[in-house]
Amino acid sequence: GENVEQHPSTLSVQEGDSAVIKCTYSDSASNYFPWYKQELGKGPQLIIDIRSNVGEKKDQRIAVTLNKTAKHFSLHITETQPEDSAVYFCAASSNNNDMRFGAGTRLTVKP
Amino acid sequence: NAGVMQNPRHLVRRRGQEARLRCSPMKGHSHVYWYRQLPEEGLKFMVYLQKENIIDESGMPKERFSAEFPKEGPSILRIQQVVRGDSAAYFCASSPKGRGGEAFFGQGTRLTVV
Repeated sequence: GENVEQHPSTLSVQEGDSAVIKCTYSDSASNYFPWYKQELGKGPQLIIDIRSNVGEKKDQRIAVTLNKTAKHFSLHITETQPEDSAVYFCAASSNNNDMRFGAGTRLTVKP
Repeated sequence: NAGVMQNPRHLVRRRGQEARLRCSPMKGHSHVYWYRQLPEEGLKFMVYLQKENIIDESGMPKERFSAEFPKEGPSILRIQQVVRGDSAAYFCASSPKGRGGEAFFGQGTRLTVV
């Protein structure tokens, strides 16, 4: 089955700096890669996703890149703000396999 | 994730009791997933259901746990004879397409076994 690894487990940045979170996956059949943001006491919220036929996708301050050959994908947050502080999860799924999640990255943005 | 409704939000059960967790998917979604999350940990897949069918229950313990998604009504995750180790947050996600497609989560049910 799919195995998703996520790094780093914790990340602390200064407000205004960029944050990068990286994930690798094992199943070459995986074709859908979402990112979720989870705030304390809440459910995960889908913030951006990318499919395997695309190398990069951007939505305002958030971007995701995918390298299918290396089987890794990354989340980039620019101009970070204190409200970006949360736990971020990457995930991977395919048409034949259910979504599997990374272990999460706790991002802290210091004002 | 607005639209996926889970209840109750918090549930306290004594050891040996049954816990029933409910999930109403977003309108038009016929695919439901259940995940379990321990404090400070990630989301562990439990079961994937379509209306009236269990598609994949490979992540769900074979004993005491069961799930259903009837033709009418919410999906139910049932835990019989709960033990302290069942204490966790249980999240439901619904999807319009299923595997390989986007999924939206509810706010979760936090189960505490005392």
